[in-house]
Amino acid sequence: DGGITQSPKYLFRKEGQNVTLSCEQNLNHDAMYWYRQDPGQGLRLIYYSQIVNDFQKGDIAEGYSVSREKKESFPLTVTSAQKNPTAFYLCASSTPSGRADTQYFGPGTRLTVL
Amino acid sequence: KQEVTQIPAALSVPEGENLVLNCSFTDSAIYNLQWFRQDPGKGLTSLLLIQSSQREQTSGRLNASLDKSSGRSTLYIAASQPGDSATYLCAVTYGNNRLAFGKGNQVVVIP
Repeated sequence: DGGITQSPKYLFRKEGQNVTLSCEQNLNHDAMYWYRQDPGQGLRLIYYSQIVNDFQKGDIAEGYSVSREKKESFPLTVTSAQKNPTAFYLCASSTPSGRADTQYFGPGTRLTVL
Repeated sequence: KQEVTQIPAALSVPEGENLVLNCSFTDSAIYNLQWFRQDPGKGLTSLLLIQSSQREQTSGRLNASLDKSSGRSTLYIAASQPGDSATYLCAVTYGNNRLAFGKGNQVVVIP
C-alpha cells in the first residue's frame, strides 16, 4: 500500500537532548513537508523540500534541522535550541506538478519534553 | 502574509442536521483551497480540493464552495452523522506550493 509513515508515534525527550523524527513515503512524491500542530492551533510549516538535496525554511524553522538525501525520506531533528518542542508533528508529501495536487499526510508523531 | 480564519471554532449539532463550516483567507492569490478532516491524535485526510478557477466541489454528502474574490469558502455536510464528529481544517495553497491552515472547526454530532 502506498502512503506516508512516521515513527515513532510517541516520543519523549529530556531537556537538552536532540531527537530525530522519521518520515518515509512510497508515493514517489518529489515534495515533502514538516508541520507542527499545537492544541487548538492550525498547522505551521517548519521545513519543506521540493527535490532531493534541497530544502527551505518554513515559518518556524528555528531550533529544527532537516536533511533530504533520498526521495523517500525527510527526517526532522528537534534540537536543544527549540525552546518549546512539545507538540504534534506531521509530515506530508505531494507531487508539485502544477498547483493542482493535494498534500498527503502521515499519522503524526507526538513529542513530549520531560 | 496569508492568514486563514475558521468560524465557529467549535459547534455541536443533533444528528441529521446539516453542518455549515466557514473559512476566510486574507489574500485572494491562491492556487486552490482544501478541506481536511482530522480525528483526535491522527493525521489529516483530504476531503475536497477546489481549484482557484472553480466555484465548488462535491463528494457524497459534502459540498464546498469557493468565492476567491471575497476570500471565503464554505463546507456543507448534509444530514450529519455521529461519524462526522471531528475537526475540519481549511487550507489554501499559495506561493511555492505552500499551505496556510486555519485553526479548525471542532464538530460534535449528537446522536
